[in-house]
Amino acid sequence: KAGVTQTPRYLIKTRGQQVTLSCSPISGHRSVSWYQQTPGQGLQFLFEYFSETQRNKGNFPGRFSGRQFSNSRSEMNVSTLELGDSALYLCASSQRVSGGLGRSTEAFFGQGTRLTVV
Amino acid sequence: GQQLNQSPQSMFIQEGEDVSMNCTSSSIFNTWLWYKQDPGEGPVLLIALYKAGELTSNGRLTAQFGITRKDSFLNISASIPSDVGIYFCAGERNAGKSTFGDGTTLTVKP
Repeated sequence: KAGVTQTPRYLIKTRGQQVTLSCSPISGHRSVSWYQQTPGQGLQFLFEYFSETQRNKGNFPGRFSGRQFSNSRSEMNVSTLELGDSALYLCASSQRVSGGLGRSTEAFFGQGTRLTVV
Repeated sequence: GQQLNQSPQSMFIQEGEDVSMNCTSSSIFNTWLWYKQDPGEGPVLLIALYKAGELTSNGRLTAQFGITRKDSFLNISASIPSDVGIYFCAGERNAGKSTFGDGTTLTVKP
């Protein structure tokens, strides 16, 4: 069974540009969560999609957005990039048997996309 | 917002020693999770805890969900060099949205 695939692995962008990152979950998994990892702030939750609907959202500005397609693949977009957006962006997929409140099921992380904003 | 305090920040131990790390929070969580992250990789789930008081083992790893639902600990017994890495605790109130601790960096000297 293929794991979680994130593309691209590395990306360099200039301030003010926008970027789109992709995450392909494990086959059969309908939940995809996105996290930002930085040395200063650690792992911070961005948002979670389940069956094409955003179920949970973290405390990030509106420049950070995402979507999920019918095949459960997800993308996240960051517009008007700032230097502080440089980070490792991780996505995690899980089967998540119920939406919203409910028992967590095992989440599998991808290797992440390393974004550098210059 | 919800904050997790994970300690210690780093540990340097000799191979064969036992390790203990913990997380505390001012908020209640419904699930506690422990992950390990190796360089260049995403976190890998080690243990998931779903009930207050629950004690779960996974090989040499043992973790407990605190009775108050505001804390959890992870123990590693008889450490080996491949235990090196960063260990994260995470609490969940809503499934799919984890709040992570800042991590404990473990170094094991052969």
